[in-house]
Amino acid sequence: EPEVTQTPSHQVTQMGQEVILRCVPISNHLYFYWYRQILGQKVEFLVSFYNNEISEKSEIFDDQFSVERPDGSNFTLKIRSTKLEDSAMYFCASSGGTAPYEQYFGPGTRLTVT
Amino acid sequence: GDSVTQMEGPVTLSEEAFLTINCTYTATGYPSLFWYVQYPGEGLQLLLKATKADDKGSNKGFEATYRKETTSFHLEKGSVQVSDSAVYFCALSDVGDTGRRALTFGSGTRLQVQP
Repeated sequence: EPEVTQTPSHQVTQMGQEVILRCVPISNHLYFYWYRQILGQKVEFLVSFYNNEISEKSEIFDDQFSVERPDGSNFTLKIRSTKLEDSAMYFCASSGGTAPYEQYFGPGTRLTVT
Repeated sequence: GDSVTQMEGPVTLSEEAFLTINCTYTATGYPSLFWYVQYPGEGLQLLLKATKADDKGSNKGFEATYRKETTSFHLEKGSVQVSDSAVYFCALSDVGDTGRRALTFGSGTRLQVQP
């Protein structure tokens, strides 16, 4: 069964450093998403991406964040200058194909900012 | 804005007990509703969905009915197993009305099933 994959599973970085989180969505999906879950809190939407551009973003997704689809398979989230409060689990999701409204999630990347 | 409210956890049950996890929502239109499950150490898995009023979503013995009159989408299972221990998230999207695909999640309910 096709699945969304994410790398790395755990990333530790120092405050102020740039990080790139990587995702490979399901191959026939056209919509891609990033969500985050701070420990003990709700899963929060960050951004959605379609046709090589951002289609929707939340207030959390400020100028420190960017997304890119650098090739035909990867979808990345970049945080330019990490802050302590960026520590969270980041989930990538994709949707499309025969069930366009169903989002399928990857296993997540745990980001720890020290 | 849209919101989802779930019952507080943890919910602790014995094996074969009946499960209900309550979920109510607030949305401007007629959202699509989802239940996701997160097993320990894993990501979110879509468990079931319903896209219009009175629809019943079902999967793996779990069911939930889209009740527009009570704005609810309660998750039920007749006989839980230890392997059902996980965190369950109720979520909605307004994609049908607004084109907005972002999922709005509830806070999650942890289920612990004891043998």
